[in-house]
Amino acid sequence: ILNVEQSPQSLHVQEGDSTNFTCSFPSSNFYALHWYRWETAKSPEALFVMTLNGDEKKKGRISATLNTKEGYSYLYIKGSQPEDSATYLCAFEGSNYKLTFGKGTLLTVNP
Amino acid sequence: EAQVTQNPRYLITVTGKKLTVTCSQNMNHEYMSWYRQDPGLGLRQIYYSMNVEVTDKGDVPEGYKVSRKEKRNFPLILESPSPNQTSLYFCASSFSSPGGHEQYFGPGTRLTVT
Repeated sequence: ILNVEQSPQSLHVQEGDSTNFTCSFPSSNFYALHWYRWETAKSPEALFVMTLNGDEKKKGRISATLNTKEGYSYLYIKGSQPEDSATYLCAFEGSNYKLTFGKGTLLTVNP
Repeated sequence: EAQVTQNPRYLITVTGKKLTVTCSQNMNHEYMSWYRQDPGLGLRQIYYSMNVEVTDKGDVPEGYKVSRKEKRNFPLILESPSPNQTSLYFCASSFSSPGGHEQYFGPGTRLTVT
């Protein structure tokens, strides 16, 4: 089973703070790197799917970068809001199209 | 409305009694997948299917069966459920594209095996 590591496991920030999380994954047999947002009692929802080394994607205040050569991706949230509170998951998609998820980073944004 | 549906949403059953959890999507997606979510272990892929009649094992396939006879449906079968299969199960689907398989998740099925 592949090792997909996310850090930190949890994070508490104040409203307005900017924050970032890390996902590390194998650098071989890479196909895509996914980021999902998972709110309590809901289903995970896709934020980004990235395939190219050096790729950067942005959606509103959230952005992500990808380094496939060294096997890491960063997710950034600018000016965190209480509604950003959720678990953020990354997933490694290998060349066989199998997905392996990390255990997630639980973000709590205090008003 | 584009969606992935799962049934049942909640199920309590006993050890050894065969059960099926259905999954259906109305988005004409080629790729479908089953996951289980357990505290401290995260989401783990059980089986996935790239298209009709094509299925592959994920990371935790033991004790499960799947079939993909139609594009829209991907049922998960537990032939002889055991208590260690108590979990929250998610079905997901995706278009097959060069840009990765962005997963659209169903609402989840909470299964308890006693």
